[in-house]
Amino acid sequence: GAGVSQTPSNKVTEKGKYVELRCDPISGHTALYWYRQSLGQGPEFLIYFQGTGAADDSGLPNDRFFAVRPEGSVSTLKIQRTERGDSAVYLCASSAAGLAGYNEQFFGPGTRLTVL
Amino acid sequence: AQRVTQPEKLLSVFKGAPVELKCNYSYSGSPELFWYVQYSRQRLQLLLRHISRESIKGFTADLNKGETSFHLKKPFAQEEDSAMYYCALSGPGSGYSTLTFGKGTMLLVSP
Repeated sequence: GAGVSQTPSNKVTEKGKYVELRCDPISGHTALYWYRQSLGQGPEFLIYFQGTGAADDSGLPNDRFFAVRPEGSVSTLKIQRTERGDSAVYLCASSAAGLAGYNEQFFGPGTRLTVL
Repeated sequence: AQRVTQPEKLLSVFKGAPVELKCNYSYSGSPELFWYVQYSRQRLQLLLRHISRESIKGFTADLNKGETSFHLKKPFAQEEDSAMYYCALSGPGSGYSTLTFGKGTMLLVSP
């Protein structure tokens, strides 16, 4: 079946602009995660959805970043007033709900954001 | 605070040589530990998790709680093992949901 997909694959924008990054999780997966990977670093957690609600948004760096998942499937990560430091690969992952404990996260290919 | 440390950015070995990718962690509690792998032009994928105690593609990793380590080992490296490897943990504080990653180690296996 289809894996996690993310669009666009690349996004170049200018400092101060607004961007939206989209994630389509694996069908039926109730949990969805956003991570950010800067150059030379591992992925860094941003926000986690269980269904439509954000279960944990402690990783969002500031109030320029927010994410939605209105119907419990597709999610959009929104960044306002972009800064050069926001340049990174933004990864999305999804997992099935299951027994308590860790459920394997399946990652998308990422969106490479470049802020000029 | 939870932290994962991978001290080597790059590990270069010859085919057939043993491999050990180091991972140390800091967490107060009982985390789950994982190794993720990213092959060239592919997406990040789970390689193995400590709780399953499996050998995947010849790789094993043992959780050493005393040394807070979870090193990844393979006795005989193959060229197709060349990839970026990330150690990660998930803890009860997040309901074992979110992952904390190390910075990764690039493994390069030469013929």
